[in-house]
Order: sequence, then structure tokens, then C-alpha cells
Amino acid sequence: QKEVEQNSGPLSVPEGAIASLNCTYSDRVSQSFFWYRQYSGKSPELIMSIYSNGDKEDGRFTAQLNKASQYVSLLIRDSQPSDSATYLCAVIRQGAQKLVFGQGTRLTINP
Amino acid sequence: DAGITQSPRHKVTETGTPVTLRCHQTENHRYMYWYRQDPGHGLRLIHYSYGVKDTDKGEVSDGYSVSRSKTEDFLLTLESATSSQTSVYFCAISEGTSGVFGPGTRLTVT
Repeated sequence: QKEVEQNSGPLSVPEGAIASLNCTYSDRVSQSFFWYRQYSGKSPELIMSIYSNGDKEDGRFTAQLNKASQYVSLLIRDSQPSDSATYLCAVIRQGAQKLVFGQGTRLTINP
Repeated sequence: DAGITQSPRHKVTETGTPVTLRCHQTENHRYMYWYRQDPGHGLRLIHYSYGVKDTDKGEVSDGYSVSRSKTEDFLLTLESATSSQTSVYFCAISEGTSGVFGPGTRLTVT
């Protein structure tokens, strides 16, 4: 079982709609959770981090964490064509500082 | 932008030759990571370091070795390159939370 799993997509969403991206992780000791965005040919860049159960909002982005069910999600409201990218979920296991990524979900926003 | 660079940015090499990739940071961050990225696989961790001379294996470490003799440099070595190691290699740095990525190195093994 992979440590971090994502649906690879592609996920296609109309402009202005909500895009929902999901991630599950296998290690219950995982402590910190991150969402990165990666445009084609570029490096990943951090867009959200979340450390405790519940929701965290930043502009059009909301990260949701449920440690009991071992999943993390990212919601993008009012999706724009510029949001088209691959979104990578990452987790850090407490004490190990090993930053592990899922395989990424490719998101396309259709005008 | 965080001070993290990778060299070389592009390299073509032949099967069986040794290759060393360099990651250099100016942020004095404790943790450094090497990943490879291939279509359909996301970012896979090769090796990481939690201090000078302190390193550990990731999920795809076979065929790779690393060294960190000073805080700012983390070297990734392919002792004898194979075609399966053709990939884009990313270095990342961290102070214990999220990572910041370098620009990547595109390596082609022919």
C-alpha cells in the first residue's frame, strides 16, 4: 500500500465551479499535511498546509483534514483556467521528517 | 524565492557512467530531500538528509547514493546510470514542515 494515494485524474471542472481533490494516507502517525500545485515543466509550489482536524481556508482554497478517516482534501472555489495544473498531496510523519507525496491529480478547468 | 539551486539543469549521459547531481541551498535549512518525478508516479523520495552526514533512504533508493558534508550541499550520485534512471530530479529543503523545491534537473540516460 502506498503511503499517500490520490486519484490521478484527469479531473475536468467548468470555470466558476468548485474543484474537489482528495488524498488518503496510510500512516496514522502522519502529523503534517500539504497541498502543492505544479504547472507543466515547473517545480511544485506549496499552496496549503494543515495540521489539525477540520477546515482551513485561504482565499479560494480550503483544505480539509480528517485524521480518523485518514484523508485530506482540497477545495478550489470559483475555479479559474489558471488553476489548471497537477495537485500533489504530501505528508510528514512525526519524528521522521520524511516528506512523502502522492502521485498527483491533474486538474483541468474548462472555460 | 528561497535560495535553492540545482546543477546541472540538464544532462545527457550514457548507460554505465557515474553521474552526480548537486543541490545547493543558502537558507541553512536542516532537511534536504531528493525526489524523482516520472509520468504517473508523482514525486518519489530517493534519499533525504536531516543534518550533516545524516541521511536516510526513501522509497526508491536502489542505484542511488547521497552525501552531505556541509549544511548547504546535498549530492545525489548514480554510481552506474541505467536507462530506468532517466527522469526529472528535484531537490527540496525544509525546516521541518513543508518543503521548498529547486528548479529540477532533467537527466537522460542513453
